[in-house]
Amino acid sequence: DGGITQSPKYLFRKEGQNVTLSCEQNLNHDAMYWYRQDPGQGLRLIYYSQIVNDFQKGDIAEGYSVSREKKESFPLTVTSAQKNPTAFYLCASSIPGDQPQHFGDGTRLSIL
Amino acid sequence: GENVEQHPSTLSVQEGDSAVIKCTYSDSASNYFPWYKQELGKRPQLIIDIRSNVGEKKDQRIAVTLNKTAKHFSLHITETQPEDSAVYFCAASRDSWGKLQFGAGTQVVVTP
Repeated sequence: DGGITQSPKYLFRKEGQNVTLSCEQNLNHDAMYWYRQDPGQGLRLIYYSQIVNDFQKGDIAEGYSVSREKKESFPLTVTSAQKNPTAFYLCASSIPGDQPQHFGDGTRLSIL
Repeated sequence: GENVEQHPSTLSVQEGDSAVIKCTYSDSASNYFPWYKQELGKRPQLIIDIRSNVGEKKDQRIAVTLNKTAKHFSLHITETQPEDSAVYFCAASRDSWGKLQFGAGTQVVVTP
């Protein structure tokens, strides 16, 4: 969907480095989500946020951190504690509750 | 927590035939079931969804059925076309946070 922008499209991380993935939406959605996708697998929830200045851990939060200082922005930091960060990262947003989630184009993170 | 199983993992069909993908879920409180289509390297896109108060929903060549008693739901694609080739994911959600639990995906290949 054109309303969710993820950047960069490709990102490389060096050993011991933290990297931050950007996610911006102009859909006026309160809820935002970060997923990780590994080859041949489904999407796994890393973090989610229902409102500004509040967020919750998903199923695989270890080694990741987020912030939600603005409604339209939900950046994800992959820390050096995440030992296997190579994956496709997808950001999504929705109206809170059981509503369709709309995804960005994703960021592909690799290790140098 | 919720667990969603999806079958088959790969599905090859002749153009014009029907394709059926099945998912089962573990949490009887789940009440929202979306289906996403993902083409290679691209974002997942919502193709159809169903809520627990409905047994069946149809949108042109795509239909979803839900059996709450058996805790399974299925995606039906009729008159398949080559552009239907993609990975399809089912998901289930049980709470007002909108957290989705995804199946592992089905690679559908439609051969002319």
